[in-house]
Amino acid sequence: AQSVTQPDIHITVSEGASLELRCNYSYGATPYLFWYVQSPGQGLQLLLKYFSGDTLVQGIKGFEAEFKRSQSSFNLRKPSVHWSDAAEYFCAVVPFSGGYNKLIFGAGTRLAVHP
Amino acid sequence: GAVVSQHPSWVICKSGTSVKIECRSLDFQATTMFWYRQFPKQSLMLMATSNEGSKATYEQGVEKDKFLINHASLTLSTLTVTSAHPEDSSFYICSARDLETEAFFGQGTRLTVV
Repeated sequence: AQSVTQPDIHITVSEGASLELRCNYSYGATPYLFWYVQSPGQGLQLLLKYFSGDTLVQGIKGFEAEFKRSQSSFNLRKPSVHWSDAAEYFCAVVPFSGGYNKLIFGAGTRLAVHP
Repeated sequence: GAVVSQHPSWVICKSGTSVKIECRSLDFQATTMFWYRQFPKQSLMLMATSNEGSKATYEQGVEKDKFLINHASLTLSTLTVTSAHPEDSSFYICSARDLETEAFFGQGTRLTVV
């Protein structure tokens, strides 16, 4: 079945440590790929997106993500986490099924940051 | 990025009443708007997709008569929860897209039905 998987429901890191959030998708063709961040009780903010081209994508707030076609993955990374990065992170895809239609979200990964 | 304004941010209503939530694109024309529902500590579930001037396309399992969506203009879509019940309590989020591929999200509406 077509899906977006975020294997880690909850991750805790220390401030200043590196971070990697995993995302895998299962669609026949490479979809458009996105990472969003959501603070409690808020809407979603786009961190970065991948459509085509360079597989390493730079986003806002020091985040980057790498698209790996062979692994059907689009993992989010940050070299040094700040306390303000604590939030919920969602990987999302726009699958190719007759043109752009809808954004499908993964289950999300809740990030906690220890001082 | 573009701004999507959602109103109200939170609403409490009595069981059996109807509630309308507005979603506006402030600085672009939204050809397509999406409505999502999010339960606590869960992901966003797409409820419906609406294109300006046409009927909304509902996802499987979403009651179209319960969740009325109107996309009357390129800058406004509304979601009306009719005859609300406590199980309809949730966080509702809209997003709007122009002709490009990126969608922008509203800040969400917390609905509590008592």
